[in-house]
Amino acid sequence: NAGVTQTPKFQVLKTGQSMTLQCAQDMNHEYMSWYRQDPGMGLRLIHYSVGAGITDQGEVPNGYNVSRSTTEDFPLRLLSAAPSQTSVYFCASSSGQEAHEQYFGPGTRLTVT
Amino acid sequence: GNSVTQMEGPVTLSEEAFLTINCTYTATGYPSLFWYVQYPGEGLQLLLKATKADDKGSNKGFEATYRKETTSFHLEKGSVQVSDSAVYFCALSEGGNNRLAFGKGNQVVVIP
Repeated sequence: NAGVTQTPKFQVLKTGQSMTLQCAQDMNHEYMSWYRQDPGMGLRLIHYSVGAGITDQGEVPNGYNVSRSTTEDFPLRLLSAAPSQTSVYFCASSSGQEAHEQYFGPGTRLTVT
Repeated sequence: GNSVTQMEGPVTLSEEAFLTINCTYTATGYPSLFWYVQYPGEGLQLLLKATKADDKGSNKGFEATYRKETTSFHLEKGSVQVSDSAVYFCALSEGGNNRLAFGKGNQVVVIP
């Protein structure tokens, strides 16, 4: 199993550009989540999904969209990038069993200039 | 709402020293508690977990005990190595929606 994969690993955007961060998992997990990590802030939940076709907002959803058309994929879309979205983004998945143990991808480092 | 508080600031210590990282939580019910570790340039990995009061999670020489009376889940290791240098996050999960609440993390630097 590849586990949770994320692409790209690094990305630089200009303010106002849009892009999609890709996330895929091959563990047949129902639950998937997106977090952003900022210095001194820990990880904050952006959006999450409890299954294909079902998504919900987390703690910091503004400026981001998600969809879940398949169990495997959970892309995160930045609609109009802003410097405040400069961060490291992590995707995670979970089976919902094992006390909600989550498996994390390697992250995408995004810089918005 | 649910929240996790970790002690402020990085932790620097010598090899073979004793490590403690404090973690306290606020939750409305009976959460599961986790410690995650992030090595440089990598994603988070689960280090250990506990699902009910008085449970002790352990892995790689690290331990943490779920203390309901003090709402704490402090991480300890008796003798750290340089390879333990990483960022450590305390987290909790409650309810059926699989959402994790994280503390801010502690950078641990172990000096040879």
